[in-house]
Amino acid sequence: QQQVKQSPQSLIVQKGGISIINCAYENTAFDYFPWYQQFPGKGPALLIAIRPDVSEKKEGRFTISFNKSAKQFSLHIMDSQPGDSATYFCAALTSGTYKYIFGTGTRLKVLA
Amino acid sequence: NAGVMQNPRHLVRRRGQEARLRCSPMKGHSHVYWYRQLPEEGLKFMVYLQKENIIDESGMPKERFSAEFPKEGPSILRIQQVVRGDSAAYFCASSSGTGIVSYEQYFGPGTRLTVT
Repeated sequence: QQQVKQSPQSLIVQKGGISIINCAYENTAFDYFPWYQQFPGKGPALLIAIRPDVSEKKEGRFTISFNKSAKQFSLHIMDSQPGDSATYFCAALTSGTYKYIFGTGTRLKVLA
Repeated sequence: NAGVMQNPRHLVRRRGQEARLRCSPMKGHSHVYWYRQLPEEGLKFMVYLQKENIIDESGMPKERFSAEFPKEGPSILRIQQVVRGDSAAYFCASSSGTGIVSYEQYFGPGTRLTVT
């Protein structure tokens, strides 16, 4: 119930391609879904987040798509660049609480 | 730079020693969270503290681990009698705890603990 399942575990994309990372959840009480980007040796940095009242949120090359009925959300990175190579974590939270539930991470490598 | 600060960045301890990890939250933040990240895994919640109070320690092992956030000074995660299984990256996050974005947590760079 409290898990967030993330896939794939690793992803290799050519420069300029689209990177897609998926997450699924069970707990319908979750209502805040952030994505974090983590470079080696660094802490996770908030990248983009969505609430379930919208189906899509776009910030620059990063887009979250949200499917409430399927309880799934995904991160799309358009025009992927080598500098995007990092580990990406999805997470879920219930408003008014504080305990983020993180996915297991996706290691993205963008080839030059 | 008013980000979350953690020190030390790297810590090596022998089995049986004590490890002390420090976290200074972002300026204006009074809520601190500790997470543990094992290799190739996501972050696991350990404990949530406000000044002088432990709000939720449900993710902390019952023995050897303790955390505090005193009125003055940084939050400290303390691991006594460390074992090899404690080797991990420990991240601190902070939030303001007020307003609509109170739940947004900002992470520090982490402390990488190695137990030899």
